Amino acid sequence: NAGVMQNPRHLVRRRGQEARLRCSPMKGHSHVYWYRQLPEEGLKFMVYLQKENIIDESGMPKERFSAEFPKEGPSILRIQQVVRGDSAAYFCASSPGNENTEAFFGQGTRLTVV
Amino acid sequence: AQKVTQAQTEISVVEKEDVTLDCVYETRDTTYYLFWYKQPPSGELVFLIRRNSFDEQNEISGRYSWNFQKSTSSFNFTITASQVVDSAVYFCALSFLSGYALNFGKGTSLLVTP
Repeated sequence: NAGVMQNPRHLVRRRGQEARLRCSPMKGHSHVYWYRQLPEEGLKFMVYLQKENIIDESGMPKERFSAEFPKEGPSILRIQQVVRGDSAAYFCASSPGNENTEAFFGQGTRLTVV
Repeated sequence: AQKVTQAQTEISVVEKEDVTLDCVYETRDTTYYLFWYKQPPSGELVFLIRRNSFDEQNEISGRYSWNFQKSTSSFNFTITASQVVDSAVYFCALSFLSGYALNFGKGTSLLVTP
């Protein structure tokens, strides 16, 4: 049973380009969460999605960032017109949605904006 | 609002020493969950423990033990007879729903030297 899969593991983008980060949840998990880890800081919650629905995006920056979790395929975190300050590790976690369980994290995507 | 404080930024110990990582939290919720995660140098997040607010029983797992005290809003983590492989950043986290919108502390970087 594969864990949460994130790709790519490392992503380099020039300022102004778009970054697409992918997350395939664990088998049987229908809930996905995205977190961002800036240098020297802990992880910050960004967005919570279920299939085809955004449940809570209270942690998402208002501009340039979007997330989706389509009926088929992985969840995508999209950052348009990246800036240096977007350089961070982005983690995805998934859970089956049952309250009585923890979320399992992927290995993260490290985005570097040059 | 929820908040997690890990006052120890960095700890350095010699192998075989015991070490305690402190975690203090703030929340107005009566039901909540506390977590510890380990982030080794390779960068992934490894789940260590989850505890709900109604269960104050301390837990021991091998060399790891956790002390949850609601009276002081603390959830401390002790590693007994530390090993070099314990070197990592350890995060404490709080959530009102298990696995959802975790609020992370800034982490404690533990270095265990031979």
